[in-house]
Amino acid sequence: NAGVTQTPKFRVLKTGQSMTLLCAQDMNHEYMYWYRQDPGMGLRLIHYSVGEGTTAKGEVPDGYNVSRLKKQNFLLGLESAAPSQTSVYFCASSFGTLQLTDTQYFGPGTRLTVL
Amino acid sequence: GNSVTQMEGPVTLSEEAFLTINCTYTATGYPSLFWYVQYPGEGLQLLLKATKADDKGSNKGFEATYRKETTSFHLEKGSVQVSDSAVYFCALMEADSWGKLQFGAGTQVVVTP
Repeated sequence: NAGVTQTPKFRVLKTGQSMTLLCAQDMNHEYMYWYRQDPGMGLRLIHYSVGEGTTAKGEVPDGYNVSRLKKQNFLLGLESAAPSQTSVYFCASSFGTLQLTDTQYFGPGTRLTVL
Repeated sequence: GNSVTQMEGPVTLSEEAFLTINCTYTATGYPSLFWYVQYPGEGLQLLLKATKADDKGSNKGFEATYRKETTSFHLEKGSVQVSDSAVYFCALMEADSWGKLQFGAGTQVVVTP
């Protein structure tokens, strides 16, 4: 049981390049989330999904797109990377019980640098 | 809107010292409250949680009590170890929010031998 995994672990992009971050979970979780972590700002929600085939915007969605074609995978895309997107990206998942005790499980993160 | 405010770090203390990290929140509803911990180079993991007023969450010697009257959820540990060095995040989850978490900025804790 690997939990939540993220690919890649590190990446350096040039401004304007595109890339996709992959998040996979093997816990049969319904909900999945993408966050970015920046110094002094905690984690901010980019996009989330409440089930296969669904996506919704979070707090900071601009410049990102997501897809959830399979229940176990949640992809985060940067179409044209900008230096402001330099950050550490975390994926998380949860059972999606709609209970206030629902726990999110986090992946190890992807460190992205945009030059 | 909702917000979570944590004390700024880094907090540096010696092994076996008492640790307190303050957390206050604003919310429109009646949220659940969480503490997550991030060890160096790792993702976040749940430390403890509380879902209603006066609930006390506890784990690994850490405790936090949900205080509705002061809108606070302060984290405490009586005797820290070097292995407790990490970044600690306070977070809230509102009902009907699809499980979304609102995080504080995080507090780095450094414990020296």
